[in-house]
Amino acid sequence: DIQMTQSPSSVSASVGDRVTITCRASQSFNNWLAWYQQKPGKAPKLLIYAASSLQSGVPSRFSGSGSGTDFTLTISSLQPEDSATYFCQQANIFPFTFGPGTKVDIK
Amino acid sequence: QVQLQQWGAGLLKPSETLSLTCTVYGGSFSGYYWSWIRQSPGKGLEWIEEINHSGSVNSNPSLKSRVTISLDTSRNQFSLKLTSVTAADTAVYYCARRKPCDVTSCYGFDQWGQGIMVTVSS
Repeated sequence: DIQMTQSPSSVSASVGDRVTITCRASQSFNNWLAWYQQKPGKAPKLLIYAASSLQSGVPSRFSGSGSGTDFTLTISSLQPEDSATYFCQQANIFPFTFGPGTKVDIK
Repeated sequence: QVQLQQWGAGLLKPSETLSLTCTVYGGSFSGYYWSWIRQSPGKGLEWIEEINHSGSVNSNPSLKSRVTISLDTSRNQFSLKLTSVTAADTAVYYCARRKPCDVTSCYGFDQWGQGIMVTVSS
């Protein structure tokens, strides 16, 4: 299985700050990486697919980049509603695997 | 607007069989893969298995021996059975939709059910 790791495990930032989350895979998988946002008691919500493609309806302050085994999710200007846990997922090799999550809090 | 609505028993005893069903409302059942994913504090998000409208199945080897996925296209439903449950199977279980990979991209899970907390306890 492809192992996914994320850093940091948590981050606290102020409204308007730029926040970057890193996801690393144990092996390359053609860059088919997805990012999700999950709020307490809710299902994950797809933000980004194919490493950098914005899912329909997702605010443009979210962006993704990376290739090979290293990927990033960036929130360009953090908003109060962005307080959540963010997960990466490799979407190409079975079994699909997810990162452990990064919790983003608002200061 | 596509909605996934799931239901099933939330409390099981060890060795029993977990059974969950997900109904797809407001969208086409064909052209997608339909997955079961679970989330627990100990193991995080874990993809279990998926099926498409023609019955093609992809599985997680870690659970494959205990899992059966099926579909009822006439009712736009798909179901999960997990046999011989233990406390380690305690988790929130989600159904989810995935567009198949094509020549340009692979896609994530773009629609999810509401989740069901399943607890295994004697």
